Amino acid sequence: DAKTTQPTSMDCAEGRAANLPCNHSTISGNEYVYWYRQIHSQGPQYIIHGLKNNETNEMASLIITEDRKSSTLILPHATLRDTAVYYCIVRAEYGNKLVFGAGTILRVKS
Amino acid sequence: GAGVSQSPRYKVAKRGQDVALRCDPISGHVSLFWYQQALGQGPEFLTYFQNEAQLDKSGLPSDRFFAERPEGSVSTLKIQRTQQEDSAVYLCASSLSPSPGDTEAFFGQGTRLTVV
Repeated sequence: DAKTTQPTSMDCAEGRAANLPCNHSTISGNEYVYWYRQIHSQGPQYIIHGLKNNETNEMASLIITEDRKSSTLILPHATLRDTAVYYCIVRAEYGNKLVFGAGTILRVKS
Repeated sequence: GAGVSQSPRYKVAKRGQDVALRCDPISGHVSLFWYQQALGQGPEFLTYFQNEAQLDKSGLPSDRFFAERPEGSVSTLKIQRTQQEDSAVYLCASSLSPSPGDTEAFFGQGTRLTVV
């Protein structure tokens, strides 16, 4: 699986957009970009995933660059409950595992 | 319940004791994963089942770790002769199909194992 690089931590003001970057420069054509988050003492929670096109759901938006070497997760109006570790994952083969890195600690502050 | 259920939520074991951790995936989910998460780190893959078949056990750290899913639903992760380094949160996840682009994996809350 392609490796990902994320900042260790980020702060965001409550009510503002949180933009979390991820680099995956070695991604191959059939690999998807997944985002999960983990709130303290809970299991990881799926947020969104995409292959080439930008994606949006009720939780977030995923912007993937045209060359697919990086992506940005956008939480449009961050709340205190969005404080969590955010993992960017590139997922390869059919049925293959999710490979988690260290993730980005997002702290939303009032 | 609607989600992935793991039991027990907390387990304290004496060093050398055997433990069994249970995972009830979402009904009908084909894929099941076990992960180990040490304090302050991301989850590390242990093993993967597609129905009852264990297709990948490359992450199991030693032969003291054993997982099974005999009827393709409930899974058990067994750790024999527990050591202090086994202390971690053990997470189970299930997904509807194996295709990486089709579906998300749902995680349970995990079992926190403390070996003393």
